[in-house]
Parts: sequence; C-alpha cells; structure tokens
Amino acid sequence: NAGVMQNPRHLVRRRGQEARLRCSPMKGHSHVYWYRQLPEEGLKFMVYLQKENIIDESGMPKERFSAEFPKEGPSILRIQQVVRGDSAAYFCASRVDPKQPQHFGDGTRLSIL
Amino acid sequence: GQQVMQIPQYQHVQEGEDFTTYCNSSTTLSNIQWYKQRPGGHPVFLIQLVKSGEVKKQKRLTFQFGEAKKNSSLHITATQTTDVGTYFCAGNNDYKLSFGAGTTVTVRA
Repeated sequence: NAGVMQNPRHLVRRRGQEARLRCSPMKGHSHVYWYRQLPEEGLKFMVYLQKENIIDESGMPKERFSAEFPKEGPSILRIQQVVRGDSAAYFCASRVDPKQPQHFGDGTRLSIL
Repeated sequence: GQQVMQIPQYQHVQEGEDFTTYCNSSTTLSNIQWYKQRPGGHPVFLIQLVKSGEVKKQKRLTFQFGEAKKNSSLHITATQTTDVGTYFCAGNNDYKLSFGAGTTVTVRA
C-alpha cells in the first residue's frame, strides 16, 4: 500500500507566479490535511478536506490560497501570485477517519525567487 | 482555540543519557499523538494515547498521557545517535490535530 504521495518534492517559483502542489492520499483515506512548516518551526494547520468538501480552512490565508480534493484525482493546494513569504515546506497528510493517526507525505519544498 | 505547548524547544543530550520532553494543551484532548521528524524528512507517526493516565512503551521510548488528558510526556532512555530529530506532540480534538512546536534533539557522541 503506497504511502501519501506528494509532488513535486521541490518547486521553485518567481514572485507573482502560481504554485500548484499535489497530494495523493493513501488508498482508502478520504480525509486530507495540508500543513505548512517554516524552518525550525512546527506544523501549522492550513486546511482539512474530505472528498470534494472543504471541512475547515481556518488556517489558510483568505487571499491567494485555495485547496480542493476532487472526486477523482489528487488534492491540490494552489497558491496564486506567490510572494517570498510563501517559501516553506508544505506537507499533506491523510487518514482513514478523524480518530486515527495521520500519515504524512514527503512534502513539497517551495522556494520563491 | 486549542493551543499545544511543548518544552524544551531544544535538547542537547550526551549519548547514553536520558531525557524527557513535555507537552501541555490548553484544553482537554480526546487523544494525543506523537510524531518524529528527521532533518529534511517528514513527520512519522510514533504512537497515539487515548486513555487518561495511559502509559505506552516502545523500546527505549516511554509515552505518558496525563490524568486530566491535557498533558503528555515522552521519555527516552540511553539516547542513541539514531534518536536525532524533532519530536512533535499533537493534540487531537474532533477532526483537527494541533501540533506543538516540537523538541529538536541533538546527540553528542
């Protein structure tokens, strides 16, 4: 059973471009979470999705950030008009139900030039 | 909202020594989870504690959940170089995990 798959592992964008981060959860997992981690800091919750629905997006900036988890295909975290402050590691996690542990992907390291 | 505090932020340990990292929540938790993240890696699930006062062991690691289900600790005995990394606790309520800032462990050989 493959783990949580994230791609790309590394993404470089110039200021003003769009960044699109993908996450395929573990098989059978319908709960997906996105986190952001700055160097030497903990994981900050961004958004929680459950197939086609955004359950909680309280940790995601209102501007420029959006997330989706379509019926078919991976979950996408989209950052429009990126700025230098968006540079961070973005982790996706999935779990089979909210009481179970989360399984993390390898993350996408986003660098903004 | 729920806040999870973790101390210490950094722990420098002589190989072979013991240490403990502590986790405190501002609210009562349904369960608490511990994760380990190696440098450049991703968080890896270690254990979940559910019951009040629960104690679980994994080899040299001992995890405790407080009686009030608001605090937890991780104790590592006879630290080895393989223990290097950042240990996060995460409080679970409803569907959301709130992570502490982590304890970053370095080991002196």
